[in-house]
Amino acid sequence: NAGVTQTPKFRVLKTGQSMTLLCAQDMNHEYMYWYRQDPGMGLRLIHYSVGEGTTAKGEVPDGYNVSRLKKQNFLLGLESAAPSQTSVYFCASSFPRVDLTDTQYFGPGTRLTVL
Amino acid sequence: GQNIDQPTEMTATEGAIVQINCTYQTSGFNGLFWYQQHAGEAPTFLSYNVLDGLEEKGRFSSFLSRSKGYSYLLLKELQMKDSASYLCAAFSGGYNKLIFGAGTRLAVHP
Repeated sequence: NAGVTQTPKFRVLKTGQSMTLLCAQDMNHEYMYWYRQDPGMGLRLIHYSVGEGTTAKGEVPDGYNVSRLKKQNFLLGLESAAPSQTSVYFCASSFPRVDLTDTQYFGPGTRLTVL
Repeated sequence: GQNIDQPTEMTATEGAIVQINCTYQTSGFNGLFWYQQHAGEAPTFLSYNVLDGLEEKGRFSSFLSRSKGYSYLLLKELQMKDSASYLCAAFSGGYNKLIFGAGTRLAVHP
């Protein structure tokens, strides 16, 4: 049981390049989320999905696209990277019901630098 | 608007007790979470309060007052490994979406 995994762990892009970040979970979670974390700003929601084939915008969606073709995978795409997208990206997943013992499980993060 | 505030940094001594406060203003509030995040790692779930009062889990306790929009995380018998950032988060709308505070960086000294 690997939990939530993310690939790649690190990436350096030049302005204007594109890339896709992959998130995979093996816990059969319905909900999946993409966050970015910047110094002094906490985690901010980019996009989320409540099931296979569905996606929705979060707090900071501009410049990103997502797809959830399979329940276990959630992809985050940057079509034309900008230096403002330099950040640490975290994927998370959860069941629809939250209880006192757990909520969202996070992946290890992808550290992206855009030059 | 929706907002979560917590102190930026705190320091404490090994073996001591520290309280990290969090105030929130969110729509559709339905619970307050605390996560721990070590440098360079993913956040990990610590606690979830949905009702007023204190939830205790070993050395960690979390308190919630819904009427005051206030929560705190209490860490007892501090250990060096407790040096980390502590993130306060609340539900933001449906589908378990969370809004996070900026985090409190705790440094535990010998």
